[in-house]
Amino acid sequence: DTAVSQTPKYLVTQMGNDKSIKCEQNLGHDTMYWYKQDSKKFLKIMFSYNNKELIINETVPNRFSPKSPDKAHLNLHINSLELGDSAVYFCASSQVSYTDTQYFGPGTRLTVL
Amino acid sequence: AQSVTQLDSQVPVFEEAPVELRCNYSSSVSVYLFWYVQYPNQGLQLLLKYLSGSTLVKGINGFEAEFNKSQTSFHLRKPSVHISDTAEYFCAVSAGNTGGFKTIFGAGTRLFVKA
Repeated sequence: DTAVSQTPKYLVTQMGNDKSIKCEQNLGHDTMYWYKQDSKKFLKIMFSYNNKELIINETVPNRFSPKSPDKAHLNLHINSLELGDSAVYFCASSQVSYTDTQYFGPGTRLTVL
Repeated sequence: AQSVTQLDSQVPVFEEAPVELRCNYSSSVSVYLFWYVQYPNQGLQLLLKYLSGSTLVKGINGFEAEFNKSQTSFHLRKPSVHISDTAEYFCAVSAGNTGGFKTIFGAGTRLFVKA
């Protein structure tokens, strides 16, 4: 069974479109994250949710809106896509404590044309 | 605020040679340190972590790391690498503060193992 899954794996779209990426974890974890990995492999936290509540919101354009319908799901909706949004987006989950291991999904490669 | 510096962006090494991937951190509070590995086209997975206790931490796939508080370092080592160790390696630091906790990742080190 896949612990953290993301869909879709690849997403190619035009500038200005709106798209969503879905994430689900079956580990029973309380905390979920979205990270953005750029072309140089630099990994940056975007959002973190604990039990459906937003706890970390880094300096991310408000075109990005996370939604957590329950603690097993954290979706990412992006409005008005721009070229600079092209990246690999990773979802991850962990228990609450910051000593806990984060479990990552396989990533969604977003390409904006 | 905490930060992580991985001193080498790329490390080429021959198969069966030893390797060390360097990581330095800074933080004003106690930290917890991690090494993650990312194989091509995959998500990250944990290699090992230091929370407390013995400063030498053993992880999966024969990797180990040593926490050195005085030098604020957490270098990753393997005595003999395999072709299959070719991957991107990320050092990460977690620390809590009044605003919650955050994990900061280093920029990554690409380990390339040559036959």
